Amino acid sequence: GAVVSQHPSWVICKSGTSVKIECRSLDFQATTMFWYRQFPKQSLMLMATSNEGSKATYEQGVEKDKFLINHASLTLSTLTVTSAHPEDSSFYICSTSPSLTGELFFGEGSRLTVL
Amino acid sequence: GIQVEQSPPDLILQEGANSTLRCNFSDSVNNLQWFHQNPWGQLINLFYIPSGTKQNGRLSATTVATERYSLLYISSSQTTDSGVYFCAAAYNFNKFYFGSGTKLNVKP
Repeated sequence: GAVVSQHPSWVICKSGTSVKIECRSLDFQATTMFWYRQFPKQSLMLMATSNEGSKATYEQGVEKDKFLINHASLTLSTLTVTSAHPEDSSFYICSTSPSLTGELFFGEGSRLTVL
Repeated sequence: GIQVEQSPPDLILQEGANSTLRCNFSDSVNNLQWFHQNPWGQLINLFYIPSGTKQNGRLSATTVATERYSLLYISSSQTTDSGVYFCAAAYNFNKFYFGSGTKLNVKP
């Protein structure tokens, strides 16, 4: 299967700081990537669709200014949690597919803890 | 988005038993996948199955898109099968929506 890599795997930061999470597609060009969020013992919630070279599309209820997404190249999308607060602590996971209608592959996820 | 419902929410099995996990979805879909989430959070792809039946070892899956459901079968369960199983469905290319998951505990 396709390889999707995320970095960092886990991060701890102080309240008020910003944190950037990277998602890389290692073996194919990804024009579209998806960002999900998962709270403990809950399901995955789609946050936004990241489009290479254009603005991200956010799901209803997701704050665009809080979660900045940049998809500057065909292999890299970044999610920046701005002015992080404890309620932003969560597991963030990205995904992409080699084709528009094909199988979706996920990164390892990034666990964010905001103190 | 699509509403995806999974049942049962929790399942306890004795090692060697068989089980069926169900996934219902609210709209017509063109993509459906089953995943196993390991204790570290990694999502492991089990099946990409928009329709039809597939088998991989002790696991098999069936999707009946016209009736809006998919089933995951686990036969001769092992303790390593424990974890959370998710199904995810999409009607807009790869924009997947997840069910709430089934937490499986296989006891030795």
